[in-house]
This record gives sequence, structure tokens and C-alpha cells, in this order.
Amino acid sequence: GAVVSQHPSWVICKSGTSVKIECRSLDFQATTMFWYRQFPKQSLMLMATSNEGSKATYEQGVEKDKFLINHASLTLSTLTVTSAHPEDSSFYICSAPTPLAGIYEQYFGPGTRLTVT
Amino acid sequence: GENVEQHPSTLSVQEGDSAVIKCTYSDSASNYFPWYKQELGKGPQLIIDIRSNVGEKKDQRIAVTLNKTAKHFSLHITETQPEDSAVYFCAASRGNFNKFYFGSGTKLNVKP
Repeated sequence: GAVVSQHPSWVICKSGTSVKIECRSLDFQATTMFWYRQFPKQSLMLMATSNEGSKATYEQGVEKDKFLINHASLTLSTLTVTSAHPEDSSFYICSAPTPLAGIYEQYFGPGTRLTVT
Repeated sequence: GENVEQHPSTLSVQEGDSAVIKCTYSDSASNYFPWYKQELGKGPQLIIDIRSNVGEKKDQRIAVTLNKTAKHFSLHITETQPEDSAVYFCAASRGNFNKFYFGSGTKLNVKP
């Protein structure tokens, strides 16, 4: 089946630095990818829709200048957390719909645990 | 926008018993309803899904039912096993590569 990978699986950074998280579709092309954030014991909250070849679409309340998204190719989307602060510590998950499964299903990556100290 | 509510937040059952998790949605245009299982520190894994043109779907011990009129859908797990213990999320979507709206999650604990 379709596989979505994320790198790194976990990262620790100091407050004020930037961190880049990669999301890759391994055996299919994804013109659209989604980025979610999940705090402990909470649900997945959609942050933004990443579109290959165009600007990302951000959900209400998500700072586009803080969470930079670049859909560099049909298999790669990156999320950069700029000037990270402890409150940005969270589990970040990406997903990608795949034509392999029709127009409905999405495959999720394994997630990236970000800890800002 | 869509609003998905999920109940209960926690559910404890004895091994071998059945478990039922319920979700409601608000957007009548939603037509795809997946269920995901998430283990600690991992991404969600699709366990079953249903589209709005069917009322029920079953896959071995797992089944999902959909009532479009009432805008609710449910996950049924029969003969539960300890390895079923995890957090389960429902979601709703308009399909066509549209975004998912997730419920708040249910932590299922299956006691051996």
C-alpha cells in the first residue's frame, strides 16, 4: 500500500531556532498534502494544506509566517517551524491523499515529535 | 465548517466483549467517514471507512454504520483483544482530496 514517511521522527531544539520537518510520499505522487498538529491526549488539528506548485492554505489561527510550508515536488512537502518556542512543542503529522485509493482515502505519516527547550 | 463530535472519551471493556464508539457530524456535504487507530507515539492507521452511499460496512471484527439522516456514524469492535487497546479517531470529509475533520478521540482499554 501507499506509504508516507516523515523525517525526523523526533527533534529537540532550543527556543528561537528553526526546525524543518519533511513529509514524503514513497510510492505515489501527491499534489496535495496536509499538516496536522497533535498535543498530548488531544485530537489532530489541521494546520494547513500543502499544494504542489502553489502557496499553502492555512487554517484559521495558524500563523503562516511561523509555520512555513513548501511543497517542493510531487513527493515532498516540508514544514519549517521558525523561531520555535516551548509552546510549539507537539506531535506533527502529515497526510497525503492518493489516487491509488480513489479520491477519498488519505495515508498518514508516522509523525514527528518536536520538543523546544 | 464541519464539526465532528465523538463519544465516549474513554472506554474500558473486558477482553471478548464488544466496544462501540459513536460520532456525529454537522456538514451534510460530508460523504466519507474513516476511522483511525493511533498507538502511542505513532501516526494514525486507517482501520475501516464508509462512504455515504452505504449504511454499513464490515471487516472481520470491525464494523461501521452510518445514518445520514441523523448525521451519525459508529464503530463496532466485537470480540475485543488486548491489542485493540489504543486511541480511536473518527473523521469526516467531503472526499475529492478534501481535508479531514477529526473527532476528539476515544481511548479504548481492553482488560485481559
